[in-house]
Amino acid sequence: TQLLEQSPQFLSIQEGENLTVYCNSSSVFSSLQWYRQEPGEGPVLLVTVVTGGEVKKLKRLTFQFGDARKDSSLHITAAQPGDTGLYLCAGRNYGGSQGNLIFGKGTKLSVKP
Amino acid sequence: NAGVTQTPKFRVLKTGQSMTLLCAQDMNHEYMYWYRQDPGMGLRLIHYSVGEGTTAKGEVPDGYNVSRLKKQNFLLGLESAAPSQTSVYFCASSYTKTGTEAFFGQGTRLTVV
Repeated sequence: TQLLEQSPQFLSIQEGENLTVYCNSSSVFSSLQWYRQEPGEGPVLLVTVVTGGEVKKLKRLTFQFGDARKDSSLHITAAQPGDTGLYLCAGRNYGGSQGNLIFGKGTKLSVKP
Repeated sequence: NAGVTQTPKFRVLKTGQSMTLLCAQDMNHEYMYWYRQDPGMGLRLIHYSVGEGTTAKGEVPDGYNVSRLKKQNFLLGLESAAPSQTSVYFCASSYTKTGTEAFFGQGTRLTVV
């Protein structure tokens, strides 16, 4: 059972558009992370959110952690072709071992010029 | 800076054959993970280790065994490969502190025929 549900699974947009990707769970997480993966490579960390309600910005990317620490969102403003890739959320939940890092299924983003 | 190194990068096995995937990290990380990635399924945790000499089951452990005899190495074994184990396998490592980044290897593409 996948504890982290991501939506949408696929997203194809034009350059300059805005988009939001969601990561939801019924479990509480001590922290949530967002990774980006390019074809043929391993995922690379974008951001970690730890505090409920936390908002972090990374240039055109805005990440938010839900107040109850069960969900997170990634918003991209004015998307560019270089943003194309697979976006994955990951977390360690309170109930399990602290070493157990699980991932959502990912959102495959394609930004067309 | 080697980071996380996986060997081999590609392998084709016949059904019933065995093999071992090697993961090595040079960052003195306590935690190490093995994931498999299949289309539309994101990253699924096979086994993980919170320290030398310890291992634990993840979401999809059946058909795999692991060993962590040395802190820097995490081995994933397939005793009798099956076509369902055709996948891309990723190893990752991280420090123990909640929210710290997981660093990934470049992956091993395994095909079982």
